[in-house]
Amino acid sequence: ETGVTQTPRHLVMGMTNKKSLKCEQHLGHNAMYWYKQSAKKPLELMFVYSLEERVENNSVPSRFSPECPNSSHLFLHLHTLQPEDSALYLCASRGRGGEKLFFGSGTQLSVL
Amino acid sequence: KQEVTQIPAALSVPEGENLVLNCSFTDSAIYNLQWFRQDPGKGLTSLLLIQSSQREQTSGRLNASLDKSSGRSTLYIAASQPGDSATYLCAVRPVGNQGGKLIFGQGTELSVKP
Repeated sequence: ETGVTQTPRHLVMGMTNKKSLKCEQHLGHNAMYWYKQSAKKPLELMFVYSLEERVENNSVPSRFSPECPNSSHLFLHLHTLQPEDSALYLCASRGRGGEKLFFGSGTQLSVL
Repeated sequence: KQEVTQIPAALSVPEGENLVLNCSFTDSAIYNLQWFRQDPGKGLTSLLLIQSSQREQTSGRLNASLDKSSGRSTLYIAASQPGDSATYLCAVRPVGNQGGKLIFGQGTELSVKP
């Protein structure tokens, strides 16, 4: 256990659905990240939140909408996704001044 | 633009062998380099982190080296075991990024046969 929990572990959704991915950490970290891992491709950074403010948006389509209500929780709201959005979505956190990222187990998303 | 490459993409070895995984990066302006392990369908576990001023880090049977000037890192695994089977990823943290983002390689999928 890394201390970063993601739910759900698996999600199947249609292109017209709206769903949300949840990430929770109780490590006292102040930065949280969403990464996308597609088959046979490197992890791609999507969003970075530091002290609950979005500090980076890596040219992600607007059908992905992040939310960080407090330093322990991070959401990724999904709507009108495309089949090519099917991937493993990973959340990570990092402490102030720390160097290592701590990852959750991910949400395996399938868009039909 | 920073790019990270890992060679080989896949590796299969018999149990007990010593092995080396390679990672190269195009821009030497990095804060640090990390090696991660990922089991199928799971998240990443940090194995070793090397600061840009360091040459190597060791943890148990794992040893990671860094040659920043040539843009290379290696992960050495001694006396490999079937439990070492996983995908190994390296990632660099570029200088000048406030968010602390990492740039990842595609990984090396390691299989250790009993």
